Order: sequence, then structure tokens, then C-alpha cells
Amino acid sequence: DIQMTQSPASLSASLGETVTIECRASEDIYNGLAWYQQKPGKSPQLLIYNANSLHTGVPSRFSGSGSGTQYSLKINSLQSEDVASYFCQQYYNYPLTFGSGTKLEIK
Amino acid sequence: QVQLKESGPGLVQPSETLSLTCTVSGFSLTSYSVSWVRQPSGKGPEWMGRMWYDGDTAYNSALKSRLSISRDTSKNQVFLKMNSLQTDDTGTYYCTRDRHTMGMDYWGQGVMVTVSS
Repeated sequence: DIQMTQSPASLSASLGETVTIECRASEDIYNGLAWYQQKPGKSPQLLIYNANSLHTGVPSRFSGSGSGTQYSLKINSLQSEDVASYFCQQYYNYPLTFGSGTKLEIK
Repeated sequence: QVQLKESGPGLVQPSETLSLTCTVSGFSLTSYSVSWVRQPSGKGPEWMGRMWYDGDTAYNSALKSRLSISRDTSKNQVFLKMNSLQTDDTGTYYCTRDRHTMGMDYWGQGVMVTVSS
């Protein structure tokens, strides 16, 4: 199975800051990566697919990048509604696997 | 609009079988795939398996011996059955519209399942 390792596990940042969340795959996943946002008590929501394609309706302050085994999610101009947990997920190979998540809080 | 809704028992006895239903609207099960994903409280999600739009299935190898996914296209429903439940199967179970290389773009609200005697 492809292991997805996310860092950091938790993050505290100020409003207006830029934050970056990292995701490392245990092998090359050829950009087969999605990012999800999960607000407390809610279902996950798709943000990014194919490592860098913004899902419809997602604010442009979210962006994804990376290749090979290393990927990142960047949030520009952090807003209060961005408080959530963020998960990466690879779909390059079965079984599809998720990272353990990054919990983002406002400082 | 696209909607998915999970239904099923909230409490299951250890060693018993879990049966969940995902009822979809706003899209056709013969055009889009549906995946089941579960999430223990406070942890990352785990993909369980997929019902492809063409009726084929794919399972997480860790669950394959206990898991079955089927569908009834006339009722717009996808079913999950998993046997021999244990306490570590406790969590929230979601069905999702799975667009493969475009991610899981719609999720149900989830159903909380507790395995306990």
C-alpha cells in the first residue's frame, strides 16, 4: 500500500498569513493526489485534484503543487472559515489511501 | 443537485454484520462511481471500496474478505455489507461520488456506526 505522510499534524497561524501543508507519498504517485478540507462535525470537501487543479467553487487562495512523492497545499491570506482539518489522498494505485491529517487553527 | 445519503443502524454488536445503504440523487450510478470511506473519530479517512459506474467493484485488500458492495440502479442505491465487525470498525461511514482522477467531489453526511455489546 502507498503510505501518505502529512506534516505538520497541527498548525496555528494568524489571519491573513500564508500556510503550507506537506504530504509525502511512500512512492511516486505521478500527481495522482487530491486534497480535502473537513470542518468540525462535517464531511470532507474536495479542494484540489491532480495535485494542482482547483475544484469548482474553491477559493483561489487555495493552491496545490508538487510532483513525484512530495506535494503541498498552500492557503494564502488565511481566513477564519479555513479552520479545519486537511487531508491528502492518493488515487494513483489501489488501495486509495489518505494522510492522517493536519489540523489548522487560528492563532 | 447532487446528493448522497447514508442510512443504516447506528449500533452493531461485535461479530455481527453491518449493512448500509447510500441513496443518491442528481446523477446516475451508470455514469459515476461511488466509493465508501470510513473515518474513526479524530483520525484520517480510510477508503473501503468502490462501485464502478459499469458495475465492477474494487475493494481495499485489508477489508476484502469481510466486505461486499453492490447496487440497485433502479433505486439509485449502493449497498455496503461488512461482516465480523469488531470495536475498531467504529467510526463514521461515508459514501462519495468518486470521479477517479478528479477526486471524490461529493460526500454524504455520514452515518456514525458504533460496534459495541
